[in-house]
Amino acid sequence: EVQLVESGGGLVQPGRSLTLSCAASGFTFDNHAMHWVRQAPGKGLEWVSGISWDSATTGYADSVKGRFTISRDDGKNSLYLQMNSLRPEDTAFYYCARGAYPTIRGGYFDSWGQGTLVTVSS
Amino acid sequence: IQLTQSPSFLSASVGDRVTITCRASQGISSFLAWYQQKPGKAPKLLIYASSTLQSGVPSRFSGSGSGTQFTLTISSLQPEDFATYYCQQLNTYPLFGPGTKVDIK
Repeated sequence: EVQLVESGGGLVQPGRSLTLSCAASGFTFDNHAMHWVRQAPGKGLEWVSGISWDSATTGYADSVKGRFTISRDDGKNSLYLQMNSLRPEDTAFYYCARGAYPTIRGGYFDSWGQGTLVTVSS
Repeated sequence: IQLTQSPSFLSASVGDRVTITCRASQGISSFLAWYQQKPGKAPKLLIYASSTLQSGVPSRFSGSGSGTQFTLTISSLQPEDFATYYCQQLNTYPLFGPGTKVDIK
């Protein structure tokens, strides 16, 4: 069974940093692109970032480009999101999602974690 | 590319046929997926490649379209189908539509 478990969320002050983790199990991790998707309370889904199977390609939403960095450790079956210069508008549930394909583009998201809440507030 | 969904909100009864439309601002071939999300839960993939039903998803769900216009149809709405539905384009970097909330009439 595919499992994705996010961790690392919490309350953080504006301008500070936070790193999210996603532990994957039940599938061959390095066969898939992986993504982060966020959802502000009461709002819709926003794709944040994706990384290809081999880490060669990464992509970011304009809203986080230059502030967030996605990475993966295939030896640990883990996905990460380093978030710097956090803003109140980054407050959201952050979901880890498995891409159906090895590449960022073209692959739908066929498994999701349960999410971790990031609150940016002073 | 931008995605729009209509309607934004839909009130329906059990047994109704429901259709949700997703429009892309430019052609995306069949690179479109549909997700269902219930309150407090992660989204769930329903349909990919515009019309392919994800394994385990009931056959009352169906998808169609290509290019710029797509539809998600629920042939006979069930109590567990009241949720918010999102389309997602995958022709470029992933992008979600704004969502359609299906509520009980």
